[in-house]
Amino acid sequence: QVQLVESGGGLVKPGGSLRLSCAASGFTFSDYYMSWVRQAPGKGLEWLSYISGTSISTNYADSVKGRFTISRDNAKNSLYLQMNSLTADDTAVYYCAKSGLDYSDSMDHWGQGTLVTVSS
Amino acid sequence: DIQMTQSPSSLSASVGDRVTITCRASRSIITFLNWYQQKPGKVPKVLIYGASNLQSGVPSRFSGSGSGTDFTLTITSLQPEDFATYYCQQSYSSPLTFAGGTKVEIK
Repeated sequence: QVQLVESGGGLVKPGGSLRLSCAASGFTFSDYYMSWVRQAPGKGLEWLSYISGTSISTNYADSVKGRFTISRDNAKNSLYLQMNSLTADDTAVYYCAKSGLDYSDSMDHWGQGTLVTVSS
Repeated sequence: DIQMTQSPSSLSASVGDRVTITCRASRSIITFLNWYQQKPGKVPKVLIYGASNLQSGVPSRFSGSGSGTDFTLTITSLQPEDFATYYCQQSYSSPLTFAGGTKVEIK
């Protein structure tokens, strides 16, 4: 069965950096688009970024463009999110999610999330 | 960017009620519209994809309709396990966007 396990969250100071990881299993990882989605405490869902199976195509929400970088290592079945210049507004639970063969497919599996807290 | 708006933002309903949630896109997204359910403390789960296609394993009391800019999620007979927050999301163009959600509470 599909499994997505995020890691790398924690407490970071404003202006700091963090790298999130998502370990995938149970499907042919390299075939599928993957996304990062976050949810601030008590708030709704915010899509952040997607990456194609081959890494050729990536896209970002305006709120993180230029600060966050999505990447993947298909040999390790892993997805990453490098987050720089963090602010308090980036405090949230970060989910990785599997889409289909195209970014326009729904996000059909989600990890349990990893909490990122930005605070001095 | 395509803006997504849901209404209502919250509603109270009883078990057995028919519930309808509306989602509107700021421009046509054809049928690239997905619905997700999120229970408190849990991970989002896709219910409907492509505006009207029921995700495998989702009960048939859930249905979706619409095209262009206006979409609807209907729960025909609300069950206790359906009390949750529901989100629509457009996947027509980047950036992908979610609406603000509708919280369905027990009356």
